[in-house]
Amino acid sequence: EAGVAQSPRYKIIEKRQSVAFWCNPISGHATLYWYQQILGQGPKLLIQFQNNGVVDDSQLPKDRFSAERLKGVDSTLKIQPAKLEDSAVYLCASSQATGLDNSPLHFGNGTRLTVT
Amino acid sequence: SQQGEEDPQALSIQEGENATMNCSYKTSINNLQWYRQNSGRGLVHLILIRSNEREKHSGRLRVTLDTSKKSSSLLITASRAADTASYFCATAPNSGYSTLTFGKGTMLLVSP
Repeated sequence: EAGVAQSPRYKIIEKRQSVAFWCNPISGHATLYWYQQILGQGPKLLIQFQNNGVVDDSQLPKDRFSAERLKGVDSTLKIQPAKLEDSAVYLCASSQATGLDNSPLHFGNGTRLTVT
Repeated sequence: SQQGEEDPQALSIQEGENATMNCSYKTSINNLQWYRQNSGRGLVHLILIRSNEREKHSGRLRVTLDTSKKSSSLLITASRAADTASYFCATAPNSGYSTLTFGKGTMLLVSP
């Protein structure tokens, strides 16, 4: 079974620039998550999709962050414009979970973003 | 917001010793999960324990859950250098969609 694929692996941008991250989840997984992990902390959920609908985006800074999941498969996360505090690892995860299911999450290796 | 809080923040042991990490949480849960993260990599799921379970085993891992104290522990027996990683607990709420909330993690260093 192929894992969750993310690209790019690393990205360095200047503040106020834009950046986009891509995620391809495990085939057949209905639920897709984007987490932000700041150095030394645990992952913080940014947005959760079930198929192509948003389930939870309560912690997504909507003035600068946006995400979409086209056709319920791949997803992109965009930051526009970036701030210094956006420097973090952006993790994509997928699971078979639907509703109250307890399926574990499968994570990609993340994109490390540095904003200078 | 982060619900789970792991303790200790860092743990250093010798190979062969046991490692115990604790997790406390605040609100009622449907299940609690433990994940491992090696440096520069994504998280890997280790074990899931449901709210009606008290103990679960998987290989050298033993997880306990005490819902009355809102706490869980992860025990790694006979640790190996390859167990060096950060360990996170994550809680799934008792209602709504299965959104996992992660703690800040315990960094485990196992020396040969």
